[in-house]
Amino acid sequence: DAKTTQPPSMDCAEGRAANLPCNHSTISGNEYVYWYRQIHSQGPQYIIHGLKNNETNEMASLIITEDRKSSTLILPHATLRDTAVYYCIVRANNAGNMLTFGGGTRLMVKP
Amino acid sequence: DAGVTQSPTHLIKTRGQQVTLRCSPISGHKSVSWYQQVLGQGPQFIFQYYEKEERGRGNFPDRFSARQFPNYSSELNVNALLLGDSALYLCASSLVEGISGNTIYFGEGSWLTVV
Repeated sequence: DAKTTQPPSMDCAEGRAANLPCNHSTISGNEYVYWYRQIHSQGPQYIIHGLKNNETNEMASLIITEDRKSSTLILPHATLRDTAVYYCIVRANNAGNMLTFGGGTRLMVKP
Repeated sequence: DAGVTQSPTHLIKTRGQQVTLRCSPISGHKSVSWYQQVLGQGPQFIFQYYEKEERGRGNFPDRFSARQFPNYSSELNVNALLLGDSALYLCASSLVEGISGNTIYFGEGSWLTVV
């Protein structure tokens, strides 16, 4: 799986949009971008995934650049409960169900 | 519907002992994976099972073993426990393996402390 690079930490004001960047410059054509988050002491929670097109669900939006070398997870209206470590993962179609987690971004949402 | 359930939630073992952790996947999910998360790090892949067959193994010693039962539940066994095995052990399940429409869901984990 391609390596991802994320900033180790970010702050966001409550109610504002949180934009979490991820670089995956070595991504291959068949690799998807997945985002998970982990709130302290809990299991990772699936957020969203995409291949080429931008995606949106009830939790977040995923913006993937045209060259697919980077992406941004957007939480449109961050709340205190969104404070967590956010992991960006690229996953190949032939990787079975193995996810390779990096260090993630620790997002702190402040009042 | 229940999510991925794991038991026990917390346990303490002594060095050299053996431990068995249990996982029930989401109903209808046939693939189960196990991960180890040491404090301060991201989860690391240990095993994947699909239809009761081992489909992938991470870089863990042979002291770690697992199996999947006909009802798709799974057990992770760790023998000869070391202090370094202290971690959160996560189970994840998915409907099938591979990508298409295949989201992987995690349980809340089992906290293992080795003393």
